[in-house]
Amino acid sequence: DGGITQSPKYLFRKEGQNVTLSCEQNLNHDAMYWYRQDPGQGLRLIYYSQIVNDFQKGDIAEGYSVSREKKESFPLTVTSAQKNPTAFYLCASSLTGTGVDEQYFGPGTRLTVT
Amino acid sequence: AQTVTQSQPEMSVQEAETVTLSCTYDTSESDYYLFWYKQPPSRQMILVIRQEAYKQQNATENRFSVNFQKAAKSFSLKISDSQLGDAAMYFCAYSPITQGGSEKLVFGKGTKLTVNP
Repeated sequence: DGGITQSPKYLFRKEGQNVTLSCEQNLNHDAMYWYRQDPGQGLRLIYYSQIVNDFQKGDIAEGYSVSREKKESFPLTVTSAQKNPTAFYLCASSLTGTGVDEQYFGPGTRLTVT
Repeated sequence: AQTVTQSQPEMSVQEAETVTLSCTYDTSESDYYLFWYKQPPSRQMILVIRQEAYKQQNATENRFSVNFQKAAKSFSLKISDSQLGDAAMYFCAYSPITQGGSEKLVFGKGTKLTVNP
């Protein structure tokens, strides 16, 4: 079955540690996205990538980094510079990045930093 | 910057009744897409319906339909014959249509829908 996988579902880290969230898709989509969701907030865009080896900052990129070395993979690293990293993180993909295609979402990763 | 506003943080409806969720947005673009996404307790985001701004006909998907008022920048979602499985957070989202650029979905803060048996 085609889809987006995110692992793990729950992740716990100590403050000061970097942590990498996995996102893989087998939909052959060009574009991939990372969103952060906090209680009472909508989804906010962290980073997006339209093509392999290229990505752009979203609205809240500070304290995060990404890579896009393969079409199917778009890992997100939450660095120690992110002041409030505890949140629910959603990865998405779309066929192109032009706005006409539906974004498909993964099941999300809940990150807790203490 | 584009913004999306959902003025109803919570709504409730009786099973089998109809409910309308409100959404307004702000943009200077003439063509764009609007979406309603559903997020049930599993937290998996699911597309409910979408509308392209240049199409005057309101989109429908089974029990879900929209009332798109372009001049008023309003995009409400109507759920008919509500079912228990419709209980979820509903997010309205806006996407510009770009050529060579990247789409950026802008989300509202969501409306929590409760369906009472």
